[in-house]
Amino acid sequence: DQQVKQNSPSLSVQEGRISILNCDYTNSMFDYFLWYKKYPAEGPTFLISISSIKDKNEDGRFTVFLNKSAKHLSLHIVPSQPGDSAVYFCAASREYGNKLSFGAGTILRVKS
Amino acid sequence: GAGVSQSPRYKVAKRGQDVALRCDPISGHVSLFWYQQALGQGPEFLTYFQNEAQLDKSGLPSDRFFAERPEGSVSTLKIQRTQQEDSAVYLCASSLVVQPNRKETQYFGPGTRLLVL
Repeated sequence: DQQVKQNSPSLSVQEGRISILNCDYTNSMFDYFLWYKKYPAEGPTFLISISSIKDKNEDGRFTVFLNKSAKHLSLHIVPSQPGDSAVYFCAASREYGNKLSFGAGTILRVKS
Repeated sequence: GAGVSQSPRYKVAKRGQDVALRCDPISGHVSLFWYQQALGQGPEFLTYFQNEAQLDKSGLPSDRFFAERPEGSVSTLKIQRTQQEDSAVYLCASSLVVQPNRKETQYFGPGTRLLVL
């Protein structure tokens, strides 16, 4: 069963605009959420994370928002740059053990 | 410092052949994870080591899959009698430590792309 879902397979955004990637989860035991970025032929690279005790975490151009009641999180990239074009994976883990459950990914293309 | 490395990067196997995939974690990282990523999907957890102890192998799809980390550093994922459905990218990740109420970032290697013909 897919406990983490990314319902948008792809997203195309103009350079300089905001990119919003969404993620939903079903397991209420998840308490830690991460976004990874992946380029072709490379492994996922950690981008930003958020604990369930927070509803927002910001790091430069990247902000992650968490809505626990809706079991929804989103990643905002402002401003978007062509180098941000990659596959973005949402992931979640429970307190017990650190294995990650991943969504299927969203392909972001930033057009210049 | 060096990141997580994996070898080989690509492996083509005939159905029924045994394969061994190697992971070199970041030096000093206690935790090591293996994930399987099928085409168009996100990575799926296979197994987890803390030092040399395999603490969770709930994600291994069958008894043809076996992982070890005998000295708490390098890990090997072995797949016996490979089948076509084993074709995937196998990712290894390591993190510094696992403690209750503390989450450590997992750093991923580039993966091994396995193709079973």
